[in-house]
Amino acid sequence: DIQMTQSPSTLSASVGDSVTILCRSNHNISNYLNWYQQKPGKAPQLLIYAVFRLQSGVPSTFSGSGSGTVFTLTISNLQPEDFATYYCQQTYSNPLTFGGGTKVEIK
Amino acid sequence: QLQLQESGPGLVQPSETLSLPCTVSGGSISSGNHYWGWIRQPPGKGLEWIGSIHYTGNTYYNPSLESRVAMSVDTSKNQFSLKLTSVTAADTAVYYCARLGIGGWELDYWGQGALVTVSS
Repeated sequence: DIQMTQSPSTLSASVGDSVTILCRSNHNISNYLNWYQQKPGKAPQLLIYAVFRLQSGVPSTFSGSGSGTVFTLTISNLQPEDFATYYCQQTYSNPLTFGGGTKVEIK
Repeated sequence: QLQLQESGPGLVQPSETLSLPCTVSGGSISSGNHYWGWIRQPPGKGLEWIGSIHYTGNTYYNPSLESRVAMSVDTSKNQFSLKLTSVTAADTAVYYCARLGIGGWELDYWGQGALVTVSS
């Protein structure tokens, strides 16, 4: 299985800040990397697919980059609704695996 | 707008079989060449991939669960289903169904999730 490692596991920030979440894979996954946002009690929602492509309706304050084994999700100008848990996921090979999650909380 | 809805019993006895259907509305399960998947999330923990199925019946299962998992599709009901046998307390989780995108298998539509508790 391809292992996905996210860091940090928790991130404290203020409204208006920019934050970056790191996701590493232990295998080259090309551009098969997606990001999801999950709020408490809700299903995850797709934010970014194929490293940097924004899902329809996702604000441009979200951006993704990377290739191969190292990927980042950046949220600029954090808004109150952005405080949530974020997961990366590789879809390069089965089983499709997720990172452990990064909780973005209010400082 | 495509919608997915899981349904099923919230409580399953240990050693029995967990059965969950996912009903798709707003689109056909047999159009667009999509795979349809299952993901679970134990309380307070991260996401685990269970597997996926195409309307033709082709499946991919997580090897860690493969011996206990079976997925099926019923195109007449526009529904796909998950069965997990010999459940234990470790199978207690919120179970989500989702659609996989065609290009890169991103999970672009999700159900709201169904909490299944394994307990006697």
